[in-house]
Amino acid sequence: GAGVSQSPSNKVTEKGKDVELRCDPISGHTALYWYRQRLGQGLEFLIYFQGNSAPDKSGLPSDRFSAERTGESVSTLTIQRTQQEDSAVYLCASSRARGETQYFGPGTRLLVL
Amino acid sequence: DAKTTQPPSMDCAEGRAANLPCNHSTISGNEYVYWYRQIHSQGPQYIIHGLKNNETNEMASLIITEDRKSSTLILPHATLRDTAVYYCIVRDTNFGNEKLTFGTGTRLTIIP
Repeated sequence: GAGVSQSPSNKVTEKGKDVELRCDPISGHTALYWYRQRLGQGLEFLIYFQGNSAPDKSGLPSDRFSAERTGESVSTLTIQRTQQEDSAVYLCASSRARGETQYFGPGTRLLVL
Repeated sequence: DAKTTQPPSMDCAEGRAANLPCNHSTISGNEYVYWYRQIHSQGPQYIIHGLKNNETNEMASLIITEDRKSSTLILPHATLRDTAVYYCIVRDTNFGNEKLTFGTGTRLTIIP
């Protein structure tokens, strides 16, 4: 079956612009996660959704970052007024339920010039 | 979640079994052992997980010691496409901690 998909696969933007990253989880998966991976580094947790609610937003680095999920399906991660340090691969994962195995998408590679 | 220790790198000849070790000496009874891998420029790929018993699926086998303080991921017939960074993660799924914490992993290189 279809896995987690993310779009765009690559995004180049100028410092100060806003960007929206999209995640389509595996159908029927109630939990959805966003992570960030800077070049050569490990995964950094950003936010977790159970259904359309976000019980854990502890990893969002600043108020420039926000995320929402609708219809217990698609999620968007929005970064406002992008900075060069926001350059990274943004990874989305989903799981059938909380606590179960997380399956990752291919990521969106964001480059802020 | 308990900390894990993995060798930073390993080589394995193509067609041979790749055995990747992981130490998790502070693991608690509720914590599962998960393995993921990340091939260059791709998202992490789930491989296998287990609690106490050895597990096998189409990708790999997971051997967990009786005291659960270490485990070994076995790729039975390594191919060049298995070259990746392999992450061993210990995760407690009972306390609402949903985040996965990836360490530095083992960089496995399959040699032709």
